[in-house]
Amino acid sequence: DTGVSQNPRHKITKRGQNVTFRCDPISEHNRLYWYRQTLGQGPEFLTYFQNEAQLEKSRLLSDRFSAERPKGSFSTLEIQRTEQGDSAMYLCASSPGTDSYNSPLHFGNGTRLTVT
Amino acid sequence: GDSVTQMEGPVTLSEEAFLTINCTYTATGYPSLFWYVQYPGEGLQLLLKATKADDKGSNKGFEATYRKETTSFHLEKGSVQVSDSAVYFCALFLFKTIFGAGTRLFVKA
Repeated sequence: DTGVSQNPRHKITKRGQNVTFRCDPISEHNRLYWYRQTLGQGPEFLTYFQNEAQLEKSRLLSDRFSAERPKGSFSTLEIQRTEQGDSAMYLCASSPGTDSYNSPLHFGNGTRLTVT
Repeated sequence: GDSVTQMEGPVTLSEEAFLTINCTYTATGYPSLFWYVQYPGEGLQLLLKATKADDKGSNKGFEATYRKETTSFHLEKGSVQVSDSAVYFCALFLFKTIFGAGTRLFVKA
């Protein structure tokens, strides 16, 4: 168990640019989640996958955000035309998904995005 | 929608003091409840969980009891240590995990 890995750790970009983050979950976990966390707040749900299927996307997520998990393993989160309000910590988490009610999330260390 | 409300911080205590962090939830169904902790410089990790009413989750001296009648899951510890200084998040799971805003705890020696 190497844990959930996220890359890059930090990303600084100019407003209007596109950015992409990667998450590698724990290998046997079939559920993968993306959250966003701003200072002083708890993680805010963005979207989740069961294997390669994206099962839910937050209504708060604008069309500039897209996530994929093409082979049911790693996932990418892309933000197009970034805005300063997108600055946050983006967290990825995974869980086995076989017994959802008893499966806690395993978090990565996050990708901190700064939009200038 | 589903939500979690927890007491605002920061909470500052002296070592060996008693800790309570209040958490209440609103859910459309019957959720599982969790406490996660984030130590300085580290990622979020599970502290304890409870999956049904009257269950008590416990770990590292922390406890929380699932109270369906009051929709609460308060975190307690009888004697805190400096190493317990962290941010604590209450959360519910009902198809996805919803987090509270977090409560920062400072423990002074």
